[in-house]
Amino acid sequence: TQLLEQSPQFLSIQEGENLTVYCNSSSVFSSLQWYRQEPGEGPVLLVTVVTGGEVKKLKRLTFQFGDARKDSSLHITAAQPGDTGLYLCAGAPGFGTSGSRLTFGEGTQLTVNP
Amino acid sequence: GAGVSQSPSNKVTEKGKDVELRCDPISGHTALYWYRQSLGQGLEFLIYFQGNSAPDKSGLPSDRFSAERTGGSVSTLTIQRTQQEDSAVYLCASSRSGISTDTQYFGPGTRLTVL
Repeated sequence: TQLLEQSPQFLSIQEGENLTVYCNSSSVFSSLQWYRQEPGEGPVLLVTVVTGGEVKKLKRLTFQFGDARKDSSLHITAAQPGDTGLYLCAGAPGFGTSGSRLTFGEGTQLTVNP
Repeated sequence: GAGVSQSPSNKVTEKGKDVELRCDPISGHTALYWYRQSLGQGLEFLIYFQGNSAPDKSGLPSDRFSAERTGGSVSTLTIQRTQQEDSAVYLCASSRSGISTDTQYFGPGTRLTVL
């Protein structure tokens, strides 16, 4: 069974601060995705990383996939109150008949205070 | 185009009753997934449908849970003899082809409360 450990579970920071969320596993994933979820809604995909060592940037968000494809990080620069939400990492094994089924981390509840 | 829709949005039931949750995927998406989101346990995979292939039911927590997908489109998740531990948000997602790098589009979920 593939597991993803996400940390921290809760993060409360002031507007303008930087933060990093980590997602770690002992298993290799073919791809790793980061989602953001608002209350009462389903998760919305932010980015997919597929290559070991890959770095993707989405405005103030930087996503990195570890060289061994077992871990990932999300870094937010100069956080804003609009960044508040639940951030989820999810990995897909990429093999077998259900290679696209996602294993999710427990999520990081981010609160950015004005 | 329309996204993934789920109904009902909220369901309150009594312990021991059966419930049916519905998912309408994005038109043309061949892959459909059910996940469950519980407090303190995050999102967990339940079942996966891909085209006409046999579904992957390996995530269903007990034989009280079942799901079907009719005509390659609408899916229904059925929970028989509901228990309080079944209380959770049940999320449905669909993707275009089911490969691991495809984007999974999630519905808003059905919040199930078992009294």
